[in-house]
Amino acid sequence: DIQMTQFPSTLSASVGDRVTITCRASETINGWLAWYQQKPGKAPKLLIEKVSTLDSGVPSRFSGSGSETEFTLTISSLQPEDSAIYFCQQYKHYSSLTFGGGTKVEI
Amino acid sequence: QLQLQESGPGLVMSSETLSLTCTVSGVSISGDNFFWGWIRQPPGRGLEWIGSTYQKGDVKYNPSLRRRVTISVDTSKNQLSLKLFSVTAADTAVYYCAREPAGDSGGFLDSWGQGVLVTVSS
Repeated sequence: DIQMTQFPSTLSASVGDRVTITCRASETINGWLAWYQQKPGKAPKLLIEKVSTLDSGVPSRFSGSGSETEFTLTISSLQPEDSAIYFCQQYKHYSSLTFGGGTKVEI
Repeated sequence: QLQLQESGPGLVMSSETLSLTCTVSGVSISGDNFFWGWIRQPPGRGLEWIGSTYQKGDVKYNPSLRRRVTISVDTSKNQLSLKLFSVTAADTAVYYCAREPAGDSGGFLDSWGQGVLVTVSS
């Protein structure tokens, strides 16, 4: 299995801050990376697919970048409603999907 | 509008079989463009993909769970089902069903159910 490592596990920031979360894969995943946002008591919600393609309705303050084994999710100007846990997921191996451990964003 | 709704017992006894159903509305589960799968999340922890099925019979499972899991589709009811055998306390989790686009660029999960908590008790 491809292991996905996220860091930091928790970050605290203020409204308006630029926030970056990193996801590292144990091998190159050719850009097959998605990001999800999960709020307390809710299901995860797809934010980004294929490294940088925003899902429909996702605010433009969210962006994704990276290649090979290292990827980042950036929130350009943190908003109160962005308080959540964020997960990355690789899908290079179509038959074995794996997630990062999550990053909790506190405001 | 696509909706996924999980249902099933919230409590399962250790060593027994966990059985859940996901009812899909707003789109036919027998379409060619999507896999339908299950993901779980132990309380306070991360996400674990369990497996996915394609209506034409292609099924894929997490290697760590393969021996204990069966995922199937009932196209007449537009439902997805999960069976996890010989459960232990480690199987206590919120179980989600989700849709996964098929094809060369698929593999992410673009729609999720609200999830159902299943507790395994001894």
